[in-house]
Amino acid sequence: EPEVTQTPSHQVTQMGQEVILRCVPISNHLYFYWYRQILGQKVEFLVSFYNNEISEKSEIFDDQFSVERPDGSNFTLKIRSTKLEDSAMYFCASSEGRERTQYFGPGTRLLVL
Amino acid sequence: GENVEQHPSTLSVQEGDSAVIKCTYSDSASNYFPWYKQELGKGPQLIIDIRSNVGEKKDQRIAVTLNKTAKHFSLHITETQPEDSAVYFCAASHSRGTSYGKLTFGQGTILTVHP
Repeated sequence: EPEVTQTPSHQVTQMGQEVILRCVPISNHLYFYWYRQILGQKVEFLVSFYNNEISEKSEIFDDQFSVERPDGSNFTLKIRSTKLEDSAMYFCASSEGRERTQYFGPGTRLLVL
Repeated sequence: GENVEQHPSTLSVQEGDSAVIKCTYSDSASNYFPWYKQELGKGPQLIIDIRSNVGEKKDQRIAVTLNKTAKHFSLHITETQPEDSAVYFCAASHSRGTSYGKLTFGQGTILTVHP
């Protein structure tokens, strides 16, 4: 069964450093999402991406964040200058369509020291 | 924006008992309500979903009910088994206008099924 994959599974970084989280969505899916979950809190929407552009973003997704689909298969989330409060589990999801089921990857646990 | 509240935060049942988790939502435009199960070290996995044009949906031991008037929906698991132990999340979304189906999640319920 096709699944969303994410790398790395864990990442530890120093405050102020750039990180790139990678996702490979399910191959025939057209809509891509990033969510995050701070320990003990709700899963929160960050951004949706369709047709090679951001379609919707939350207040959390400020200028420090960017997304890209560099090669037609990978979908990346970049945090330019990490802060302590960026420590969280980051989930990638993809779906066939705007009103279709979103399938989630296993997540990347990011720890900013 | 949408706000989803989920109760209870923890639920402990004996194997074979039923488990019920309830969620309320605030945005009357929401029309899609999925439930996800998250096991340790894994991402959320869809277990059942319901759209606003139906009031109930069932898949073997799992059922979901939706009350649009009251803006609440519930997950029902019957004949629980130890492997049902996990964190369960409800969510709500709509895809109207400029929304591209972003999910708004509840806080999660830790379900423990004791053998």
